[in-house]
Amino acid sequence: DQQVKQNSPSLSVQEGRISILNCDYTNSMFDYFLWYKKYPAEGPTFLISISSIKDKNEDGRFTVFLNKSAKHLSLHIVPSQPGDSAVYFCAASAIFLSGNTGKLIFGQGTTLQVKP
Amino acid sequence: EADIYQTPRYLVIGTGKKITLECSQTMGHDKMYWYQQDPGMELHLIHYSYGVNSTEKGDLSSESTVSRIRTEHFPLTLESARPSHTSQYLCASSEGPFGEKLFFGSGTQLSVL
Repeated sequence: DQQVKQNSPSLSVQEGRISILNCDYTNSMFDYFLWYKKYPAEGPTFLISISSIKDKNEDGRFTVFLNKSAKHLSLHIVPSQPGDSAVYFCAASAIFLSGNTGKLIFGQGTTLQVKP
Repeated sequence: EADIYQTPRYLVIGTGKKITLECSQTMGHDKMYWYQQDPGMELHLIHYSYGVNSTEKGDLSSESTVSRIRTEHFPLTLESARPSHTSQYLCASSEGPFGEKLFFGSGTQLSVL
């Protein structure tokens, strides 16, 4: 049973436009969410995170929105740049559970292509 | 920025060979992890450690084993590699009381023929 789902395997946008990547989760105990960016043959790099006490977190061109009632989060990239082309992974954790291990549950990833 | 190193980056070996994938971090992080990832799939946790002499199996069953004799070193070993072990192996470490933010190494792409 996949607890974190990214239903769009790929997304293509024009340079300068907005990229919106979506993520759904099923476990209501998740209270911390992260987005990672991954290039081929490289390890993921941290982009942005949000805790469940917030519904929005912004860092430069990247904004993450959290809708707890819908168990949905999204990553907005504005404006999109060709260098943003990569695989984006959504991840979730239940960090405030007692005995939390710090383990992250990842989605399958969405491949973003930003065309010049 | 975190410094976590994995070697080798690429490894092609024959079936039945014993291999060790190396992972080292220089931040003094207590928590370390091994994830396995195939193209188009999610990252699956196969091992984790909370500190020296602490190792646990992750959510995905794996025939590999790990050890944590030193804080900075978390190697993964496959006693007898098989083609089904072909995958990308990613090592990570985390800081903070909950270890919620992971820093990843560059990964080892393993191909077993």
